[in-house]
Parts: sequence; C-alpha cells; structure tokens
Amino acid sequence: SQKIEQNSEALNIQEGKTATLTCNYTNYSPAYLQWYRQDPGRGPVFLLLIRENEKEKRKERLKVTFDTTLKQSLFHITASQPADSATYLCALDPYSGNTPLVFGKGTRLSVIA
Amino acid sequence: SAVISQKPSRDICQRGTSLTIQCQVDSQVTMMFWYRQQPGQSLTLIATANQGSEATYESGFVIDKFPISRPNLTFSTLTVSNMSPEDSSIYLCSVEGRSSYGYTFGSGTRLTVV
Repeated sequence: SQKIEQNSEALNIQEGKTATLTCNYTNYSPAYLQWYRQDPGRGPVFLLLIRENEKEKRKERLKVTFDTTLKQSLFHITASQPADSATYLCALDPYSGNTPLVFGKGTRLSVIA
Repeated sequence: SAVISQKPSRDICQRGTSLTIQCQVDSQVTMMFWYRQQPGQSLTLIATANQGSEATYESGFVIDKFPISRPNLTFSTLTVSNMSPEDSSIYLCSVEGRSSYGYTFGSGTRLTVV
C-alpha cells in the first residue's frame, strides 16, 4: 500500500525566512499530491494541488514541487510569518479524484518572531 | 468549494454509550469520507460512504462499531458505538472539491470517552 513520510515532525524557523517541508512516498506515483494546513482543533484546509505531470505550482507565498523520479514533494513558504504556524499535511490522491486521500503525519511549523 | 457543517464539535461520553456525528454539505456530492485523527497522529480513513449503498470500511474498522448512514447526497452520519477510552479522538468528514480545489473537511468532532 502507499506510504507517505513527512520527515520532520516539527520545524522552527525565524520570521521572514523560507520554510521548506518534505513529503516522500513509496510505491506508485499518485495522480495528485495535495498540501493541507491544520490548526489545532480544526479540520484540514486545502492549500495546493499538483498533478503528476506538473513540476511546480505556486500560490502567493506558497510553492510546491513534485519530483516523480525522487518520489518527493517539497512545500515552501516564503517570507514566513508567525500566522503561518500550523501543522502542514501532505496527502496523496491515487486515482484523480473521488477516492479517499492518504495522509502523511504532518509537520508542525512554528514561525518565531 | 463545498461547505460542510459538522456536529457536535466536541463531546464527553461515558464508556459503553454511543455518539452520532452528523455532516451536512451545502451541495450534492457522490462520496463522503470519514476519518479518525488520534492525538498527535495523522488522519486515518474509517470508511467511504456512497449514497444508496452500504459504506465501504477500511481494515480495522467494522460496521457494528462505526455504523454509517447516507440517506441523501448532502448528508451523512457516523455513529461510534459501545465507546471505550480508546475511541477518544477527533472524527472528521470530508468530500472532494471541484477541479483543483482539493478536498473539503468538516471542522471535526473531538470525542473524549471517560
């Protein structure tokens, strides 16, 4: 079965720096790879989706890369702010929609002012 | 993207009792997904609920313990039956978004069994 590793349980960075989070997966390449933000006591909120034929996707201060050779996605937050502090989850969508996502354990990001 | 209303947001229950969690979606969706998130862990899929048919359960989850109803395309319930402290967790429902909008989640139900 598909397995996902987010290799940092927690990451602390200074405000203004770029945070880089890593997601590695095993087995087959998913159709989509998604990133979510989760705040304490809340459900995950969708941030970005990248397809298997895309190398990079950007949205404001967020950037996601997808390397199907390395079986890895990197998630970047540039000019980080204390409000970016949250848990970030990587999720795989194996079949292009309407199937359940497979989640990593998440990385808890703390941006220090 | 869809908006989900999930109730209750939290509850404290006695062991041996049951709790029913509701999710109402503001649009019709084919499938709804129910997840469990134990403290400090990621989301684990419990079952997939398709309207008009029985839910499909993942390994380790059974219908007698987690019965699911899906009476129409905008509503679903998950019941946690005969609860024990090990069932203390956050329970989340989810639906697929449209096109590139990802999946939408309810705000979660934080369950504590004492």
